[in-house]
Amino acid sequence: DTEVTQTPKHLVMGMTNKKSLKCEQHMGHRAMYWYKQKAKKPPELMFVYSYEKLSINESVPSRFSPECPNSSLLNLHLHALQPEDSALYLCASSLRDADTQYFGPGTRLTVL
Amino acid sequence: KQEVTQIPAALSVPEGENLVLNCSFTDSAIYNLQWFRQDPGKGLTSLLLIQSSQREQTSGRLNASLDKSSGRSTLYIAASQPGDSATYLCAVRRFNAGNNRKLIWGLGTSLAVNP
Repeated sequence: DTEVTQTPKHLVMGMTNKKSLKCEQHMGHRAMYWYKQKAKKPPELMFVYSYEKLSINESVPSRFSPECPNSSLLNLHLHALQPEDSALYLCASSLRDADTQYFGPGTRLTVL
Repeated sequence: KQEVTQIPAALSVPEGENLVLNCSFTDSAIYNLQWFRQDPGKGLTSLLLIQSSQREQTSGRLNASLDKSSGRSTLYIAASQPGDSATYLCAVRRFNAGNNRKLIWGLGTSLAVNP
């Protein structure tokens, strides 16, 4: 299995909703990442987990809450989002930090 | 501060042409450099990763080179096909102990290969 999967593919939520994005990989990678990408821009790093511990938080607002329950799974919990948070949310993994990153297909999030 | 620039921003070529995409970076103290491809609205596909000690990497019709001293990398695509149409992104990983996980991205080159 050489892929990163993300669910759901699309998500529409109101500003008062709570939702979660899920990312999974079974490549034995020990680093996992969340990125946010706006149209025609490169991905912006949000969080990095290394060996299931949060190692980088790029000053992301607390309405985004990451969780790494195990080495294969990464969640992003969303609460009280703003319309400007609408974007493509990408998950990636790598064997270790600084190795090749493999990306999932992304979740297209729309906040109304 | 590391900055990554990709030129051109957009490129349109006829099918079959060989082409070169450019990536430049301001700080030569890099750990590695990675080229990605992104189709519209989709995730990124890793194409090639070049370690700082390497000069080039090849995969099929793709060849990426790295010249740290001049702060440049090029992605060469041979015999381009319509299926190569996508945005190509270059990302540099800094050589900075404790924080070399973070990729510094260029804005990408949008490539259209016309049949």
